[in-house]
Amino acid sequence: NAGVTQTPKFRVLKTGQSMTLLCAQDMNHEYMYWYRQDPGMGLRLIHYSVGEGTTAKGEVPDGYNVSRLKKQNFLLGLESAAPSQTSVYFCASTKQGLNEQFFGPGTRLTVL
Amino acid sequence: DQQVKQNSPSLSVQEGRISILNCDYTNSMFDYFLWYKKYPAEGPTFLISISSIKDKNEDGRFTVFLNKSAKHLSLHIVPSQPGDSAVYFCAASARGFGNEKLTFGTGTRLTIIP
Repeated sequence: NAGVTQTPKFRVLKTGQSMTLLCAQDMNHEYMYWYRQDPGMGLRLIHYSVGEGTTAKGEVPDGYNVSRLKKQNFLLGLESAAPSQTSVYFCASTKQGLNEQFFGPGTRLTVL
Repeated sequence: DQQVKQNSPSLSVQEGRISILNCDYTNSMFDYFLWYKKYPAEGPTFLISISSIKDKNEDGRFTVFLNKSAKHLSLHIVPSQPGDSAVYFCAASARGFGNEKLTFGTGTRLTIIP
């Protein structure tokens, strides 16, 4: 089992460019999450999904969109990147009824 | 509004001594609490958790204490080892209320001095 994987590991964008971050999990988990980690801010929830075809907003959803077309994948999109979106992005998943979330290795994004 | 607070950004402890990391919360609906450990350039990994019906949970060198009246929890690591140097995040959920989300604190960087 690979667990939770994230693609890419690093990316540099220019302001206004778009990109998609891919999260994949092979544990058949129902719930998936996208977080961002910034210095002094901890982990903040961007969007999450409780099942295929469903998504919901988290604490800091502005500027991001998500899609969950397949149970194992959760995509995070930035339509027009801004320097404020420079961060480390983590994907996580968990099974329904289980509180512990399993995290991917992260994607470090820099927006110039 | 920070519902989960870790007021110590950093902590240094001598190897072999006890490390105590603290966490406070404000939301009385939180009924399950977790600690995560994070090494640089890696994702957080689950360490230990506690339900609000307990006041202590132990797993090897790690013990979590919960004081519901004070809305405070702490993680004790005894004895501390160099491999414990990492950032520790406290997290909370209101799972009894059907909440599928975790709320994280800002983290405490623990450094174990050999």
